[in-house]
Order: sequence, then C-alpha cells, then structure tokens
Amino acid sequence: DVKVTQSSRYLVKRTGEKVFLECVQDMDHENMFWYRQDPGLGLRLIYFSYDVKMKEKGDIPEGYSVSREKKERFSLILESASTNQTSMYLCASSLASGSGDEQFFGPGTRLTVL
Amino acid sequence: DQQVKQNSPSLSVQEGRISILNCDYTNSMFDYFLWYKKYPAEGPTFLISISSIKDKNEDGRFTVFLNKSAKHLSLHIVPSQPGDSAVYFCAASAGGGTSYGKLTFGQGTILTVHP
Repeated sequence: DVKVTQSSRYLVKRTGEKVFLECVQDMDHENMFWYRQDPGLGLRLIYFSYDVKMKEKGDIPEGYSVSREKKERFSLILESASTNQTSMYLCASSLASGSGDEQFFGPGTRLTVL
Repeated sequence: DQQVKQNSPSLSVQEGRISILNCDYTNSMFDYFLWYKKYPAEGPTFLISISSIKDKNEDGRFTVFLNKSAKHLSLHIVPSQPGDSAVYFCAASAGGGTSYGKLTFGQGTILTVHP
C-alpha cells in the first residue's frame, strides 16, 4: 500500500519565518510533487522533482524552493513566509514518467502564516 | 490561464439519484484524464481515469465520459450515496518525455449527497 506522509498536519508560523515542509514516500517513486490547494483555485503545482537532486518549477514557484537529497524525501521551503502563503499544502508521488500515471497524495499540511 | 476548468463549484443531489460532474479543458495535448476525490483534512485519492483514445470508462458506480471534439469530460455516479459527499477534482496530463507525470487540476466541485 502506497504511503505518502507529511511531517505536520497543522502548522502556524509568523511572517518572515523560514518554513520547512517535509514529505516522505515509501514506494520508490521517481516523481514527487508539491501543490497548494486554495478554495476556488483547485490544486496548483508549486515544484516537482523527477529524480534525486533534480527539480522543476511548477505553475506558482515564487516564494518557494525545494530540496530532494534522497529519493524518498522531498522538502518544500518557504524562505520568508508571508500571509498569502497561508494554504493547504499537498505532497504527491508517482511511479513513472508516462502520461496518466496516478499520483498518490499525502494527507496535507494546513499552514497558517500570521 | 486555466487549462482545466470545472465551472460548477458545487452540486447537490438526492441519495440514489445520478450525480454528474463536468470538466472542460483547452489543451489539445492532454491525452489522459483522471478524477480525484477529496474529503476534508485528507489528501485527494484517485477515483477513475480515461485515456484520450477511449470515450468511456466504467468502474462500478463511477463512469467517466470523454468528448474529445468538445474538449469535455464528465463523471457520472450512479446511484449516489451520502458517502460520496466530497470535493471532486478533474485532472489532465500530456504525454511526452518531459511531462514527468505532471497533472493539471481543475478548481474542484463540492458534491453533497443528501439522505
């Protein structure tokens, strides 16, 4: 059974703080993704990674960075948190690079920036 | 530029009736479409998918229809059950060596099934 875990379910941070969101998958998937979910906007891709140390910008990368030092772990970093980064953050992974591969999601981290 | 659109933010249906969720897309390169279901405080879970070479795929109570000429797909749930109440996301992917399995999601539709 595929499992994607995220380090925190709920997080409250102050404006300007550096924030780390961690994601771990246990199925040896090549691809990993970070999304944010906002009401009325759906899921928007922030960054993704197709291999260790490889990363690609998604649709809304501004204000974020990522790190993938190990295949199973993909971190999202908010260098200086701002209130407009208050959101639900979802991590996902998928096995291969073909079209139509199902992505498996973690439970999400609800981040509030005050 | 929203390439995948779900124009109905919400849908309310009576238990036992059919639920029809709609999705439109603009990118002709999309060749695979997926539906995800999301409960509050949980991550989305995969529901059903369809390749662009098909026009219908069925799995139990769930059927997805694809109309390529209209760039439109729909998810039918028959019969609807209260446990189906969730947010439903339509997603699409484009093939090719650099796609890396990227999905483009719609805004989501909140389905409420009343007992």
